[in-house]
Amino acid sequence: GEDVEQSLFLSVREGDSSVINCTYTDSSSTYLYWYKQEPGAGLQLLTYIFSNMDMKQDQRLTVLLNKKDKHLSLRIADTQTGDSAIYFCAGPLTGKLIFGQGTTLQVKP
Amino acid sequence: EAGVAQSPRYKIIEKRQSVAFWCNPISGHATLYWYQQILGQGPKLLIQFQNNGVVDDSQLPKDRFSAERLKGVDSTLKIQPAKLEDSAVYLCASSLDLSDSYGYTFGSGTRLTVV
Repeated sequence: GEDVEQSLFLSVREGDSSVINCTYTDSSSTYLYWYKQEPGAGLQLLTYIFSNMDMKQDQRLTVLLNKKDKHLSLRIADTQTGDSAIYFCAGPLTGKLIFGQGTTLQVKP
Repeated sequence: EAGVAQSPRYKIIEKRQSVAFWCNPISGHATLYWYQQILGQGPKLLIQFQNNGVVDDSQLPKDRFSAERLKGVDSTLKIQPAKLEDSAVYLCASSLDLSDSYGYTFGSGTRLTVV
């Protein structure tokens, strides 16, 4: 199976919270990352979490890491239409970043 | 600081033709990566350079793809001959070094369409 898996699509209303989930297989990952990709653009690093942390908060973004279940989530508070994009989780595997297939976030006004 | 520069932004070629993409990483970044992103999928690593040496090219289809980073700065990725399934966005990224924990910085990519 894939080393990093994500659900493919999430739709929320503006102002609601969004939660994007990711599972990974490599238990030796020291850092895990969330990237954002807008149409026609490259990947923008949103945030990252070190594997010895359970949670990291950065303004509207909260990352939760459950090492036992190898589960990573990204919560976006007060989701805005400008948050509509594809979100990728990524983790290092043998020294290189491996990406999930991406979750498309649709924000309805 | 300037980001990762890639050119061209778009390229349309016929199958069996050749094409080359160029990448200029962030100044001082020793590690450079080429990723292939097929529509609807996550990026897949093709090749990874540390300075001008190849670290990992296990996913590079070497019968048709080649890449070089001669002076440890700019890099080119070439496809010859192209196939229809090579249609994708080719992303270049760079990082300070192999152990950089702050993630990679990506360019805007080159969208290749093979017809």
